Amino acid sequence: QVQLQQWGAGLLKPSETLSLTCAVYGGSFSGYYWSWIRQPPGKGLEWIGEINHSGSTNYNPSLKSRVTISVDTSKNQFSLKLSSVTAADTAVYYCARGLKSYSSSSGLRGWFDPWGQGTLVTVSS
Amino acid sequence: QSVLTQPPSASGTPGQRVTISCSGSSSNIGSNTVNWYQQLPGTAPKLLIYSNNQRPSGVPDRFSGSKSGTSASLAISGLQSEDEADYYCAAWDDSLNGHWVFGGGTKLTVL
Repeated sequence: QVQLQQWGAGLLKPSETLSLTCAVYGGSFSGYYWSWIRQPPGKGLEWIGEINHSGSTNYNPSLKSRVTISVDTSKNQFSLKLSSVTAADTAVYYCARGLKSYSSSSGLRGWFDPWGQGTLVTVSS
Repeated sequence: QSVLTQPPSASGTPGQRVTISCSGSSSNIGSNTVNWYQQLPGTAPKLLIYSNNQRPSGVPDRFSGSKSGTSASLAISGLQSEDEADYYCAAWDDSLNGHWVFGGGTKLTVL
């Protein structure tokens, strides 16, 4: 059974760079898209971006200028960096395994499963 | 402001059937499949429905999903107290090189 375990700094000052890593245990790393998703306190989910095993990335247009997602296939890990953070970036950050496939009849099929345990990142001066 | 629109809240009594709607557009729900996630208090979201109406192993058949045009719905029958949670819909959006979008979430209260 695949498990995702994540870690990283939980308290940042404005303008610093957020850095989180997610390790994948118990399953294949290839063939999936590995995503970061965040949830501000008391609010909904926001997709940040994804990477596959070969390093191909796709980012949320609203965050693209500040986000870098990288992968280390030798360790079955992927990482998130978000630069120039502000208080608006305070959130619980989740890593998740994503699956995507496309067909002409149904369009893009995909989902996130499983998810990491989440890391609360607080940005405060 | 979320790309997919959900009612902020829903409620029902034990045993009732409740539905939660998710409205999108031609670039997301209208073109691609919809997923639903359940988030119990203090926990990470969990996949509840994928590909519009498919249940992962272990999800009770009290949960069902449907899609029509640019809208989708999650139905919960035989409501139980443990169903009290936040529910989120999600879909791939084809605009701007493609990206995932979520609904704002619906808080389900079991009265």
